Formats: sequence, structure tokens, C-alpha cells
Amino acid sequence: QKEVEQNSGPLSVPEGAIASLNCTYSDRGSQSFFWYRQYSGKSPELIMFIYSNGDKEDGRFTAQLNKASQYVSLLIRDSQPSDSATYLCAVINGNQFYFGTGTSLTVIP
Amino acid sequence: DVKVTQSSRYLVKRTGEKVFLECVQDMDHENMFWYRQDPGLGLRLIYFSYDVKMKEKGDIPEGYSVSREKKERFSLILESASTNQTSMYLCASSLSGLGYEQYFGPGTRLTVT
Repeated sequence: QKEVEQNSGPLSVPEGAIASLNCTYSDRGSQSFFWYRQYSGKSPELIMFIYSNGDKEDGRFTAQLNKASQYVSLLIRDSQPSDSATYLCAVINGNQFYFGTGTSLTVIP
Repeated sequence: DVKVTQSSRYLVKRTGEKVFLECVQDMDHENMFWYRQDPGLGLRLIYFSYDVKMKEKGDIPEGYSVSREKKERFSLILESASTNQTSMYLCASSLSGLGYEQYFGPGTRLTVT
């Protein structure tokens, strides 16, 4: 079983809609959770991190963490074509950093 | 602002050549990492380092070695390049301790012919 699982997609949403990206992790001891965005041909860039159960909002982005169910999600409100990218979920467990394989998001104008 | 730089954006090498990929970070981060990224396989950790002259194997160290002589610089070495090492190579750095995010360099797309 992989440490971090993501649906590879592709996920398509119309412009202005809410995009919902999900990630599950296998180890209950995982402590920190990150979302990275990666445009085609570019390197990943950090967009959100969350450590505690609940929601964390930053502009149009909301990260949600549920440690009991071992999932973390990213909501993108008012999706824009510029949000089209691959979104990587990452988890820290101990001193190990684990990445999911990413979900491809396309926002259709 | 964290800055991680890599020596080349694109590199073409021949089979059997020794290849050096350089990574430099300017934020005094203790941890540095080398990944390769291939379609459908995601990011795979090759090596990481928690301190100068320290190195730890990641998930796929075979065919690679690393060097960290200075805190800001972490080098990835392909001893004898092979075509299956054609990939995007990404360097990252982070502070030490739990919970710190990784910052990535721009990547080096290596093609081995």
C-alpha cells in the first residue's frame, strides 16, 4: 500500500466552479500535510499546508484535514483556467516526506 | 524568499558518460533532496542529506551517488549514464525538524541517448 494515494484524474471543472481534490494516507502517525501545484514542465510549488484537523483557508484555496479518516483535501473556489495543473499531496511521517502521484486538474473556460 | 537553483534546465548526455547535476540553496536549509519524476510514477526519492557530508539512500539510489561538501550545495552524480535514467530531476531543500515544507528547484530535464 502506498503511503499517499491520489486519484490521478483527469478532473475537469468549468470556470467558476469549485474543484475538489482528495488525498488519503496510510499511516495514522503522519503529522504534516501539504499541497503542491505543478504546471506542465515546471517544478512543484507549495500552495497550502495544514497540521491540525479542520479547515484552513487561504484566498480561493481551502485545505481540509480529517485525521480520523486519514484524508486531506484541497478545495479551489471560483476555479480559473490558470488553476489547470497537477496537484500533489504530500505527507510527513517521522522524518520521511511522502508524495502522492498527483491529480491533473483542467479548468474549462 | 527561498531560492533553490539547479545547474542546468536541459541536459543531453550519451550512454556511459558521467553526469553531474548541481543544486544550490540560499536559505541555510539543513535538508536537501534529489528526486526524479517520470509520468505516471510521480516523485521518487533518490537520495537525501540532513547535514554536510551526510547522505541517506532514498527509494531508488541504484546508479546514483551524491556529494554534500558544503551546506548549500548538493550534487547528484550518475556514474555511468543509461537510457533509463532519462528523466526530470528535481532538487529540494527544507529546514530540519518535523513539519517543514520542501522547496523545489526548477528541475533538470536529462536525456541520455
